[in-house]
Parts: sequence; structure tokens; C-alpha cells
Amino acid sequence: EAQVTQNPRYLITVTGKKLTVTCSQNMNHEYMSWYRQDPGLGLRQIYYSMNVEVTDKGDVPEGYKVSRKEKRNFPLILESPSPNQTSLYFCASSPEVGTYEQYFGPGTRLTVT
Amino acid sequence: GESVGLHLPTLSVQEGDNSIINCAYSNSASDYFIWYKQESGKGPQFIIDIRSNMDKRQGQRVTVLLNKTVKHLSLQIAATQPGDSAVYFCAENEAGGADGLTFGKGTHLIIQP
Repeated sequence: EAQVTQNPRYLITVTGKKLTVTCSQNMNHEYMSWYRQDPGLGLRQIYYSMNVEVTDKGDVPEGYKVSRKEKRNFPLILESPSPNQTSLYFCASSPEVGTYEQYFGPGTRLTVT
Repeated sequence: GESVGLHLPTLSVQEGDNSIINCAYSNSASDYFIWYKQESGKGPQFIIDIRSNMDKRQGQRVTVLLNKTVKHLSLQIAATQPGDSAVYFCAENEAGGADGLTFGKGTHLIIQP
């Protein structure tokens, strides 16, 4: 089944404890992206990647890192999480840059205390 | 990026009626528009898209209308069913833009029996 998977789906952690949210797609898509979703603010892009080893900042990149060592994986790294990073995170992919329909993962709900 | 979305948090309709969800955008360079549906606990799912060289596009029970003069987009759902209950997001992308979609804040569609 063609899909985008994220792990973990739920995570509660403490301020400053490094964490990684994994994202994987099995559709051989070139483009991958991370969003956060907050009440009243909608979906905002954190980082995106147009291909392996190519990543760029989105609208809200502060406090996050990403890597794209393989085409299928695009992990989101929070080196020192803070409470304002409590949010619902979505990974998305699309076949290529300029193909605008994005396929979303199921989401990761992160709480930082 | 420029804002997208007319913030209308909740729309309540009777089952069987038609629903109209509206969205305004401000970026005159927007070239592509897309509607997503997000059910509770899930990631956004593609519904329908439209390019700026069109003013109407129809899918199964859904129609998207684009008015570039007033920068307005609408999603019409015919014969609304309980399964249509969700949050609906409009999103846009600028021609050639590689930085992904800009999302509106969303409208929660509630179906009354």
C-alpha cells in the first residue's frame, strides 16, 4: 500500500531532551516536507526537501533540523525541545517538485513539558 | 508567505443539503489551488485541485470554483453525507514554487442528521 508513515504517533517528553520523529514513504517520491499544525494557525511548513541531500527551510524552521540521506526517509530532529514545540506534526511527500499534490502521513502528536 | 484562507471555523449543514466552503487568498502569483479534507485523528487527504487557467473543476460530488478577480476559491459538496464531516483546508502554491503549499486555517464542516 502506497503510504507515508510516521513514528512515533504520540510522544510526551521533557524540555531539552533530544528527539527524532521518523518519516518514510514507499512511493519513490522526490519531494518531502514537514508541517506543524496548531489551533488557529493551520498547517505551517517547517522544512522541505527536493531530493536526497537537498533540504531547505520552510516558514517555521527554528528549533528543528532535518536530513535526507535516503530518498524514502526524512526524519525531523528536535535537538533541544521546548514547550512551544508542542504540536501536531505531519510529514508529506509528492512525486516531484512542481507536482503539488502532497500525500500526508497520519501525524505525530508531540507534547513537551 | 502571503496568507491564505478566510477564517470561518465552523459550518453546519443538514444531511443531504449542499455545502459550500469558502477560501480567500492574497497572493496574486498563486497558480495552483488544492482542497484537503482532514478527518479527526488523520492527516489531510487530497480532494480536488485547480490551476489558475481554469475557473471550475468537478469531481465526484465536489466542485471547486476559482474567481481570480476577487481571489476567491470555493468548494461545493453535493448531497452532504455524515462521512463528509471533517475540517477542510484550502491551499495554494505559486507558479514554480518549490517551497510547498501555503494552507488556510481550515473550516470545520458539521453534518446535522
